[in-house]
Amino acid sequence: GAGVSQSPSNKVTEKGKDVELRCDPISGHTALYWYRQSLGQGLEFLIYFQGNSAPDKSGLPSDRFSAERTGGSVSTLTIQRTQQEDSAVYLCASSALLAEPRGEQFFGPGTRLTVL
Amino acid sequence: AQSVTQPDIHITVSEGASLELRCNYSYGATPYLFWYVQSPGQGLQLLLKYFSGDTLVQGIKGFEAEFKRSQSSFNLRKPSVHWSDAAEYFCAVGGAGGSYIPTFGRGTSLIVHP
Repeated sequence: GAGVSQSPSNKVTEKGKDVELRCDPISGHTALYWYRQSLGQGLEFLIYFQGNSAPDKSGLPSDRFSAERTGGSVSTLTIQRTQQEDSAVYLCASSALLAEPRGEQFFGPGTRLTVL
Repeated sequence: AQSVTQPDIHITVSEGASLELRCNYSYGATPYLFWYVQSPGQGLQLLLKYFSGDTLVQGIKGFEAEFKRSQSSFNLRKPSVHWSDAAEYFCAVGGAGGSYIPTFGRGTSLIVHP
């Protein structure tokens, strides 16, 4: 079946512009995560959606970052007034197990964001 | 708080040689441990995971890892590396105490010489 997809694969924007990154999780997966991967760094957790519960936003680095998940499926990560330090690969992952720390995460290919 | 350390940023091996990638974790109870691989331009793929039971875990692509509680380690091994194994490898720890968000190490980049 189809895996996790993300769009766009690459995004180049100018400092100060807003960007939207999209994630389509595997159908039926109830948990969805967003991560940021900067050059030479590990994965930085951003936000976690768990079914119909309120998302865990504890990893969002500033109020310029927000995310939503509509209908328990597609998710959009929005970065307002982008800064050069926002340049990174943004990864989305989904998991079939709700509230289950043992659940395997399935990752999308990522969106490479470059802020000029 | 849980944390993961991958002390090697880069590892270079010759094709056919054995491989060991190090991972040390910090967690108060028995952790859930994972190894993921990321090929260039791709997302992460799960290689193997440990929750309980046998401390030697077999994964895909011929990889295995051994959980050593006394050393707080979960090192990844492969007896004979193939050129296609060149990738970034991430160790992660998940919490049994209610944390549904795994913590990832910074990754180890594996370079394979022919």
